[in-house]
Amino acid sequence: AQKVTQAQTEISVVEKEDVTLDCVYETRDTTYYLFWYKQPPSGELVFLIRRNSFDEQNEISGRYSWNFQKSTSSFNFTITASQVVDSAVYFCALSEAEDKVIFGPGTSLSVIP
Amino acid sequence: DADVTQTPRNRITKTGKRIMLECSQTKGHDRMYWYRQDPGLGLRLIYYSFDVKDINKGEISDGYSVSRQAQAKFSLSLESAIPNQTALYFCATGDFQETQYFGPGTRLLVL
Repeated sequence: AQKVTQAQTEISVVEKEDVTLDCVYETRDTTYYLFWYKQPPSGELVFLIRRNSFDEQNEISGRYSWNFQKSTSSFNFTITASQVVDSAVYFCALSEAEDKVIFGPGTSLSVIP
Repeated sequence: DADVTQTPRNRITKTGKRIMLECSQTKGHDRMYWYRQDPGLGLRLIYYSFDVKDINKGEISDGYSVSRQAQAKFSLSLESAIPNQTALYFCATGDFQETQYFGPGTRLLVL
């Protein structure tokens, strides 16, 4: 069965600090997708990134970067030089091929000015 | 216009009432989902549909039913609402790589 763990329930950082959000997943499939979503205080859910299991290349998008490591079943998300607008709940998610998406419990990030 | 719309956005109802939450999408996706969000519990899957003739239960389907009227429409019903169904409900569509596109959510309060 698939499972997603986000051990950090809440994180607080001061603006401009770097922060890493952890995500550990479990799956028996060799083909799967991993995702990160952002839910700002306004409540909508915003897609950030998708990774398939065959692509372990790390990705950087502006201040955001993702570290996918199959050896440790982790897909961690780092925000560099955090800003107040980064304050949100972040969800990691997993989908096995041709199957539903399972979300982790989320990590609430507060960036303090 | 939004790609995924939900109606109503807010709803207050009483215990025992039947209510329906509606979801429409213009993304042309076959896959649609209903999730429930409670504080500290993340998103939990209620029902999902991979096409009009395919409906599947998620992890918390008890007390809920769904109807997939067309590719673009997926409705969630609470047959007899109870207070612990008070939550934020999200509809989503999924593309072939399972990227989810969410509606704005419906806040439901059951008194």
